[in-house]
Amino acid sequence: EPEVTQTPSHQVTQMGQEVILRCVPISNHLYFYWYRQILGQKVEFLVSFYNNEISEKSEIFDDQFSVERPDGSNFTLKIRSTKLEDSAMYFCASSEGQGLNQPQHFGDGTRLSIL
Amino acid sequence: GDSVTQMEGPVTLSEEAFLTINCTYTATGYPSLFWYVQYPGEGLQLLLKATKADDKGSNKGFEATYRKETTSFHLEKGSVQVSDSAVYFCALTVTSGTYKYIFGTGTRLKVLA
Repeated sequence: EPEVTQTPSHQVTQMGQEVILRCVPISNHLYFYWYRQILGQKVEFLVSFYNNEISEKSEIFDDQFSVERPDGSNFTLKIRSTKLEDSAMYFCASSEGQGLNQPQHFGDGTRLSIL
Repeated sequence: GDSVTQMEGPVTLSEEAFLTINCTYTATGYPSLFWYVQYPGEGLQLLLKATKADDKGSNKGFEATYRKETTSFHLEKGSVQVSDSAVYFCALTVTSGTYKYIFGTGTRLKVLA
């Protein structure tokens, strides 16, 4: 069964450094998402992406964050200058379409640790 | 705003026990409801879903019924196994915008042999 893959599985970065989290969505999917989960807290929506542009972003997704689909297969989340509070598990998801009956498929996540 | 509330974990059960994990939601409109499961070291996997009131989602022995009158979507399984040990997330998708998911906090289930 096709799956969403994320790399790396664990990223350790010094505060203030840039980090890029990578995702390969399922190949025929058109809608892409990033979520994050701070340890012990809820999984939170960050951003959705369709047709090479952001469809919606949460208030968490400030100017330090950006997303890109640099080629036909990858979908990346960049954090420009990391803060301690960016430490979390980041999940990428994709869906074939949009609507109440279109489930999102999630990757295994990237654990980001900011030192 | 839209939200999901799950029972606090961890839930510890013996093998073959009956499982209930409570989930209630607040939403405008008529959301779809989901249960996702996260096994240790893995990502979020869709377990089951329901898209309208009174729908019952089921998979791998797990069931949940979309109850509009009580705004609930409780997860149940008649006889749990050790392999069901995982974190279970209840989620809804909003009916407008980009259909982003709103998740509960997750409930950790530990099944003892």
